[in-house]
Amino acid sequence: GDSVTQMEGPVTLSEEAFLTINCTYTATGYPSLFWYVQYPGEGLQLLLKATKADDKGSNKGFEATYRKETTSFHLEKGSVQVSDSAVYFCYLTSGGSYIPTFGRGTSLIVHP
Amino acid sequence: NAGVTQTPKFQVLKTGQSMTLQCAQDMNHEYMSWYRQDPGMGLRLIHYSVGAGITDQGEVPNGYNVSRSTTEDFPLRLLSAAPSQTSVYFCASQIEGDTEAFFGQGTRLTVV
Repeated sequence: GDSVTQMEGPVTLSEEAFLTINCTYTATGYPSLFWYVQYPGEGLQLLLKATKADDKGSNKGFEATYRKETTSFHLEKGSVQVSDSAVYFCYLTSGGSYIPTFGRGTSLIVHP
Repeated sequence: NAGVTQTPKFQVLKTGQSMTLQCAQDMNHEYMSWYRQDPGMGLRLIHYSVGAGITDQGEVPNGYNVSRSTTEDFPLRLLSAAPSQTSVYFCASQIEGDTEAFFGQGTRLTVV
């Protein structure tokens, strides 16, 4: 079945550092890929998405590119802020065989 | 629009009790799903539905039942609560299987 593998956390960075959170996937069809963010004590919010190969999703300074050749969707941000401290989830879903799949989540801690 | 509404927000149950977690959406989405979130495990799919009258099992369905008599509602029933079901439960809905998932705010359940 489909699966998503995320790098384990926590990831600890200083403010203004560069962020990469790795996400790779396996899927039988042509999935859509998403990054969700969960701030402490809250639900999940969509951060960005990409629906086909080579698409780049972006939002709030975060970016991720759908790479079919490497089956990856890594999340990046050039300069993190303390307010970016949260848990980030990579998510995959397909219209064909609908079994939505989350990665285990990566906790990001940003220090001033 | 209210989006996805989950009730209750918090619940404490005794072992062996039964209860229903409610989930309702007002976006006319066909796809709905239930997840549980446990530390270090990410979100795991319990049950899902691709339309009224259609439900299927996800990764961790044991101990839970669902039904989908209307497009709007997708309740999750715990038949006989166990301490292993202590978790945070999220409901989500989507227009189509490969589109953005909208999440409720979650239900924090403790079984003692």
